[in-house]
Amino acid sequence: DGGITQSPKYLFRKEGQNVTLSCEQNLNHDAMYWYRQDPGQGLRLIYYSQIVNDFQKGDIAEGYSVSREKKESFPLTVTSAQKNPTAFYLCASSSGPGGSYEQYFGPGTRLTVT
Amino acid sequence: QQPVQSPQAVILREGEDAVINCSSSKALYSVHWYRQKHGEAPVFLMILLKGGEQKGHEKISASFNEKKQQSSLYLTASQLSYSGTYFCGTPSSGSARQLTFGSGTQLTVLP
Repeated sequence: DGGITQSPKYLFRKEGQNVTLSCEQNLNHDAMYWYRQDPGQGLRLIYYSQIVNDFQKGDIAEGYSVSREKKESFPLTVTSAQKNPTAFYLCASSSGPGGSYEQYFGPGTRLTVT
Repeated sequence: QQPVQSPQAVILREGEDAVINCSSSKALYSVHWYRQKHGEAPVFLMILLKGGEQKGHEKISASFNEKKQQSSLYLTASQLSYSGTYFCGTPSSGSARQLTFGSGTQLTVLP
């Protein structure tokens, strides 16, 4: 089955530690995205990538970093510089530019930092 | 700039109808609609494009008024499975490559 996988589903970290969230897709999509969702809130874009080895900052990129070395993979690192990292993180992909194409979402990773 | 959704929440009985609105302060060429159930990933419902084209894979109707810069999602004869939070997304300023999502409309369908 084609789709997007994110792991792990739940992640717990101590404050001051960097943590990397995994996102893999086998849909052969060029574009991939990372969103953050806080309780009762909408989706806010962290980073996006249209092609391999290229990515752009979204609205809330501070304290996060990404890489896109392979088409299928778009890992997100939450660094210790992120002031409030506890949130639900969603990865998505689309076959074309996000403004015109359906985005497929992964099941999400719920990160808790204490 | 984030699109504005209304209402923020709606509760209705099974079989009743609901309308969810999405407005933008800037010109739109497309509006996306997604539904998210609690603790799950958002699921695509529909894209409405300038010129009247619609792309979707569910029997949900929507309108897109380019002049008024708004879209409405119509949920008729609601079923229990329609419960969830509905988000609209619009292309971000200066870029057709990313969406900005509204804060969502929580829909609860009661038996």
